Amino acid sequence: KAGVTQTPRYLIKTRGQQVTLSCSPISGHRSVSWYQQTPGQGLQFLFEYFSETQRNKGNFPGRFSGRQFSNSRSEMNVSTLELGDSALYLCASSLEPSSIEQFFGPGTRLTVL
Amino acid sequence: AQSVTQLGSHVSVSEGALVLLRCNYSSSVPPYLFWYVQYPNQGLQLLLKYTSAATLVKGINGFEAEFKKSETSFHLTKPSAHMSDAAEYFCAVSEGNAGNMLTFGGGTRLMVKP
Repeated sequence: KAGVTQTPRYLIKTRGQQVTLSCSPISGHRSVSWYQQTPGQGLQFLFEYFSETQRNKGNFPGRFSGRQFSNSRSEMNVSTLELGDSALYLCASSLEPSSIEQFFGPGTRLTVL
Repeated sequence: AQSVTQLGSHVSVSEGALVLLRCNYSSSVPPYLFWYVQYPNQGLQLLLKYTSAATLVKGINGFEAEFKKSETSFHLTKPSAHMSDAAEYFCAVSEGNAGNMLTFGGGTRLMVKP
C-alpha cells in the first residue's frame, strides 16, 4: 500500500505570493492533518480535515487555509507569503480522527525569498 | 492545554551504549503519547505509542518507553545504540477528544559515536 504522498517536495516562492500544497492520504484513510515544522517553532499543528470538514485548527493566521476533497485528498494554501512561512510542511493521514495512529508524508519544503 | 517538554535538545552516546531520551507532558485528560523519529529530509515515523493499555510500550527498532503517570513522563530507551539510530526524536501528546491533533516536544537530536 502506498504511503502518504505530498507534492511538490520542494518549492521556492517570493514574499507576497501564494502557494498551494497537496497531500494524498493512504488509500482508505479519511482523516488528514497538516503540520508546520520550523527550526524556531518546531512542529506545530495547522489543521485537521475529515469528510471534507475542518475538525480542528491550530493557532495560525487566516492566511493559512485548507480543504479536503471527496476522495480525501487535501490541499493547504498560504496567501501573502512571509519570510517566516519558510518551513517543512508535513501531512499526516489516518483512517479517521479516533484512529490515534497517524502516518506522515515526506513533507514539502517551502522556501520564501 | 497540553504540552510536551523534551529535556536535552542534543544527546550524544557511544555505539552500544544505552539510549535515554526524556519526555515530560502535561495534559488535563488521560493522554495518548507517542514517540516519532525523523531522519534528514524525511517525514516522521512512528516508533511507539501509549494508549492507556500497558505502561511499558515496545516499539520498532528495539526502542521502548514507560508511561509514568506520577511523574508525567514517557521516556524513550534503547539498551544498545546503533549508528543507524542517529536522527531526531520527537515526543508528542494528543488528547482523545481532540482527534488527531498532536502537540510535539521540541525534539532531541541523537548522535551516535563509533
